[in-house]
Amino acid sequence: AQTVTQSQPEMSVQEAETVTLSCTYDTSESDYYLFWYKQPPSRQMILVIRQEAYKQQNATENRFSVNFQKAAKSFSLKISDSQLGDAAMYFCAYRFYNQGGKLIFGQGTELSVKP
Amino acid sequence: NAGVTQTPKFRILKIGQSMTLQCTQDMNHNYMYWYRQDPGMGLKLIYYSVGAGITDKGEVPNGYNVSRSTTEDFPLRLELAAPSQTSVYFCASRRQGNQPQHFGDGTRLSIL
Repeated sequence: AQTVTQSQPEMSVQEAETVTLSCTYDTSESDYYLFWYKQPPSRQMILVIRQEAYKQQNATENRFSVNFQKAAKSFSLKISDSQLGDAAMYFCAYRFYNQGGKLIFGQGTELSVKP
Repeated sequence: NAGVTQTPKFRILKIGQSMTLQCTQDMNHNYMYWYRQDPGMGLKLIYYSVGAGITDKGEVPNGYNVSRSTTEDFPLRLELAAPSQTSVYFCASRRQGNQPQHFGDGTRLSIL
Protein backbone atom coordinates (compact mmCIF):
# COMPACT_ATOMS: atom_id res chain seq x y z
CA ALA A 1 0.00 0.00 0.00
CA GLN A 2 1.13 3.52 -0.70
CA THR A 3 2.39 5.46 2.29
CA VAL A 4 3.69 9.00 2.79
CA THR A 5 6.08 9.87 5.61
CA GLN A 6 7.02 13.30 6.90
CA SER A 7 9.71 12.75 9.49
CA GLN A 8 9.81 16.32 10.83
CA PRO A 9 6.78 17.05 13.05
CA GLU A 10 8.01 20.63 13.61
CA MET A 11 10.42 22.97 11.88
CA SER A 12 11.45 26.54 12.57
CA VAL A 13 13.01 29.15 10.28
CA GLN A 14 14.13 32.73 10.64
CA GLU A 15 12.31 35.26 8.49
CA ALA A 16 14.04 35.73 5.10
CA GLU A 17 15.98 32.47 5.42
CA THR A 18 15.50 29.16 3.62
CA VAL A 19 13.98 25.99 5.01
CA THR A 20 13.51 22.49 3.57
CA LEU A 21 10.71 20.15 4.56
CA SER A 22 11.21 16.43 3.95
CA CYS A 23 8.83 13.86 2.52
CA THR A 24 9.33 10.26 1.50
CA TYR A 25 6.79 7.92 0.01
CA ASP A 26 6.40 4.29 -0.90
CA THR A 27 4.80 3.06 -4.09
CA SER A 28 5.22 0.34 -6.69
CA GLU A 29 3.63 2.45 -9.42
CA SER A 30 5.57 4.40 -12.01
CA ASP A 31 2.94 7.06 -12.76
CA TYR A 32 1.61 9.29 -10.01
CA TYR A 33 1.52 12.89 -8.79
CA LEU A 34 2.94 14.52 -5.69
CA PHE A 35 1.69 17.63 -3.95
CA TRP A 36 2.51 19.95 -1.09
CA TYR A 37 -0.46 21.55 0.66
CA LYS A 38 -0.37 24.33 3.23
CA GLN A 39 -2.89 24.45 6.07
CA PRO A 40 -2.88 27.70 8.09
CA PRO A 41 -4.79 28.01 11.38
CA SER A 42 -7.92 28.82 9.35
CA ARG A 43 -7.67 25.08 8.37
CA GLN A 44 -8.06 25.82 4.66
CA MET A 45 -6.14 23.38 2.43
CA ILE A 46 -4.07 25.48 0.01
CA LEU A 47 -2.14 23.93 -2.86
CA VAL A 48 1.49 25.03 -2.76
CA ILE A 49 3.12 23.05 -5.55
CA ARG A 50 2.72 19.86 -7.56
CA GLN A 51 4.96 17.45 -9.43
CA GLU A 52 4.15 14.88 -12.07
CA ALA A 53 6.25 11.74 -11.59
CA TYR A 54 7.02 11.45 -15.30
CA LYS A 55 8.65 14.88 -15.33
CA GLN A 56 12.32 14.95 -14.40
CA GLN A 57 12.41 18.71 -13.96
CA ASN A 58 11.70 19.90 -10.44
CA ALA A 59 8.61 22.08 -10.05
CA THR A 60 8.96 25.71 -8.96
CA GLU A 61 6.34 28.23 -7.87
CA ASN A 62 7.86 31.60 -6.93
CA ARG A 63 9.62 31.08 -3.56
CA PHE A 64 8.64 27.41 -3.40
CA SER A 65 10.53 24.62 -5.13
CA VAL A 66 10.81 20.89 -4.81
CA ASN A 67 13.61 18.36 -4.97
CA PHE A 68 12.02 15.30 -6.55
CA GLN A 69 14.15 12.16 -6.43
CA LYS A 70 12.04 9.43 -8.03
CA ALA A 71 14.45 6.54 -7.46
CA ALA A 72 14.83 7.48 -3.80
CA LYS A 73 11.09 8.19 -3.50
CA SER A 74 11.81 11.54 -1.95
CA PHE A 75 9.93 14.82 -2.45
CA SER A 76 11.22 17.70 -0.35
CA LEU A 77 9.88 21.26 -0.32
CA LYS A 78 12.21 24.24 -0.19
CA ILE A 79 10.87 27.62 0.91
CA SER A 80 13.17 30.52 0.11
CA ASP A 81 13.04 33.99 1.65
CA SER A 82 10.63 32.76 4.32
CA GLN A 83 7.84 35.12 5.31
CA LEU A 84 5.69 35.30 8.44
CA GLY A 85 2.71 34.24 6.34
CA ASP A 86 4.42 30.95 5.53
CA ALA A 87 3.83 29.74 9.09
CA ALA A 88 1.41 26.81 8.80
CA MET A 89 1.10 23.05 8.75
CA TYR A 90 2.50 21.58 5.53
CA PHE A 91 1.29 18.28 4.14
CA CYS A 92 2.93 16.15 1.51
CA ALA A 93 0.46 14.11 -0.55
CA TYR A 94 0.68 11.28 -3.08
CA ARG A 95 -1.97 11.08 -5.77
CA PHE A 96 -2.77 7.88 -7.62
CA TYR A 97 -2.66 8.16 -11.39
CA ASN A 98 -5.76 5.98 -11.51
CA GLN A 99 -8.06 4.83 -8.65
CA GLY A 100 -10.01 8.05 -8.92
CA GLY A 101 -6.94 10.16 -8.28
CA LYS A 102 -7.33 9.81 -4.54
CA LEU A 103 -4.77 11.40 -2.22
CA ILE A 104 -2.68 9.82 0.52
CA PHE A 105 -1.38 12.40 3.00
CA GLY A 106 1.63 12.48 5.27
CA GLN A 107 1.33 13.38 8.94
CA GLY A 108 2.32 16.99 8.39
CA THR A 109 5.13 19.33 9.41
CA GLU A 110 4.33 22.41 11.46
CA LEU A 111 6.45 25.32 10.28
CA SER A 112 7.01 28.36 12.48
CA VAL A 113 8.66 31.53 11.17
CA LYS A 114 10.57 33.74 13.60
CA PRO A 115 10.71 37.49 12.97
CA ASN B 1 -17.77 30.61 -8.60
CA ALA B 2 -18.28 29.60 -4.98
CA GLY B 3 -15.97 26.57 -5.39
CA VAL B 4 -16.56 23.75 -2.90
CA THR B 5 -19.13 24.61 -0.24
CA GLN B 6 -19.57 22.57 2.93
CA THR B 7 -22.37 22.90 5.45
CA PRO B 8 -22.55 23.10 8.37
CA LYS B 9 -19.23 24.57 9.54
CA PHE B 10 -19.63 23.30 13.10
CA ARG B 11 -21.87 20.70 14.68
CA ILE B 12 -22.16 18.91 18.00
CA LEU B 13 -23.91 15.54 18.02
CA LYS B 14 -24.86 13.15 20.75
CA ILE B 15 -23.73 9.53 20.58
CA GLY B 16 -26.13 7.51 18.45
CA GLN B 17 -27.53 10.46 16.50
CA SER B 18 -27.35 10.66 12.72
CA MET B 19 -26.58 13.53 10.42
CA THR B 20 -25.64 14.43 6.89
CA LEU B 21 -22.71 16.65 5.98
CA GLN B 22 -23.45 18.54 2.82
CA CYS B 23 -20.97 19.24 0.02
CA THR B 24 -21.69 21.00 -3.23
CA GLN B 25 -19.44 22.31 -5.99
CA ASP B 26 -20.26 24.62 -8.88
CA MET B 27 -17.24 23.86 -11.07
CA ASN B 28 -18.79 20.89 -12.91
CA HIS B 29 -16.09 18.59 -11.55
CA ASN B 30 -16.51 14.87 -12.08
CA TYR B 31 -14.43 13.77 -9.12
CA MET B 32 -15.41 14.38 -5.52
CA TYR B 33 -13.92 13.22 -2.23
CA TRP B 34 -14.56 13.12 1.50
CA TYR B 35 -11.64 13.20 3.96
CA ARG B 36 -11.41 13.36 7.71
CA GLN B 37 -8.63 15.02 9.68
CA ASP B 38 -8.03 14.01 13.26
CA PRO B 39 -6.06 16.38 15.54
CA GLY B 40 -2.39 16.66 14.57
CA MET B 41 -2.79 14.28 11.65
CA GLY B 42 -3.02 14.34 7.90
CA LEU B 43 -6.24 13.83 5.99
CA LYS B 44 -7.60 10.32 5.42
CA LEU B 45 -9.95 9.42 2.59
CA ILE B 46 -13.41 8.20 3.57
CA TYR B 47 -15.20 7.87 0.22
CA TYR B 48 -14.81 9.19 -3.29
CA SER B 49 -16.81 9.47 -6.49
CA VAL B 50 -15.69 9.59 -10.11
CA GLY B 51 -19.07 10.78 -11.38
CA ALA B 52 -22.77 10.84 -10.70
CA GLY B 53 -23.99 7.44 -9.59
CA ILE B 54 -20.51 6.06 -8.88
CA THR B 55 -18.92 5.90 -5.44
CA ASP B 56 -16.12 3.90 -3.86
CA LYS B 57 -14.57 3.37 -0.44
CA GLY B 58 -11.40 5.03 0.74
CA GLU B 59 -9.14 4.20 3.69
CA VAL B 60 -11.64 4.74 6.52
CA PRO B 61 -15.23 4.15 5.27
CA ASN B 62 -16.69 2.38 8.31
CA GLY B 63 -19.57 4.25 9.92
CA TYR B 64 -20.22 6.44 6.85
CA ASN B 65 -22.32 6.35 3.72
CA VAL B 66 -22.36 8.51 0.61
CA SER B 67 -24.46 9.05 -2.48
CA ARG B 68 -23.87 10.96 -5.70
CA SER B 69 -27.14 11.56 -7.51
CA THR B 70 -25.94 14.76 -9.21
CA THR B 71 -22.60 16.10 -10.42
CA GLU B 72 -22.80 19.00 -7.97
CA ASP B 73 -23.62 17.27 -4.68
CA PHE B 74 -21.82 14.63 -2.63
CA PRO B 75 -23.38 14.30 0.85
CA LEU B 76 -21.74 12.26 3.62
CA ARG B 77 -24.04 10.44 6.01
CA LEU B 78 -23.12 9.44 9.56
CA GLU B 79 -25.34 6.77 11.07
CA LEU B 80 -25.20 6.10 14.81
CA ALA B 81 -22.54 8.69 15.59
CA ALA B 82 -19.65 7.54 17.81
CA PRO B 83 -17.00 9.57 19.71
CA SER B 84 -14.34 8.17 17.33
CA GLN B 85 -15.97 10.15 14.53
CA THR B 86 -15.12 13.45 16.20
CA SER B 87 -12.99 15.10 13.53
CA VAL B 88 -12.78 17.80 10.90
CA TYR B 89 -14.31 16.70 7.61
CA PHE B 90 -13.17 18.04 4.26
CA CYS B 91 -14.87 17.70 0.92
CA ALA B 92 -12.86 18.16 -2.28
CA SER B 93 -13.42 18.05 -6.00
CA ARG B 94 -11.37 18.12 -9.17
CA ARG B 95 -11.59 18.15 -12.91
CA GLN B 96 -10.45 15.20 -15.01
CA GLY B 97 -6.81 14.82 -15.91
CA ASN B 98 -3.89 16.07 -13.87
CA GLN B 99 -5.81 18.86 -12.14
CA PRO B 100 -5.40 19.23 -8.36
CA GLN B 101 -8.19 18.81 -5.84
CA HIS B 102 -10.02 21.90 -4.60
CA PHE B 103 -10.98 21.72 -0.94
CA GLY B 104 -13.92 23.11 0.99
CA ASP B 105 -13.37 24.91 4.27
CA GLY B 106 -14.20 21.88 6.39
CA THR B 107 -16.84 20.88 8.93
CA ARG B 108 -15.80 20.52 12.56
CA LEU B 109 -17.87 17.73 14.12
CA SER B 110 -17.86 16.83 17.81
CA ILE B 111 -19.68 13.80 19.16
CA LEU B 112 -20.32 13.77 22.88
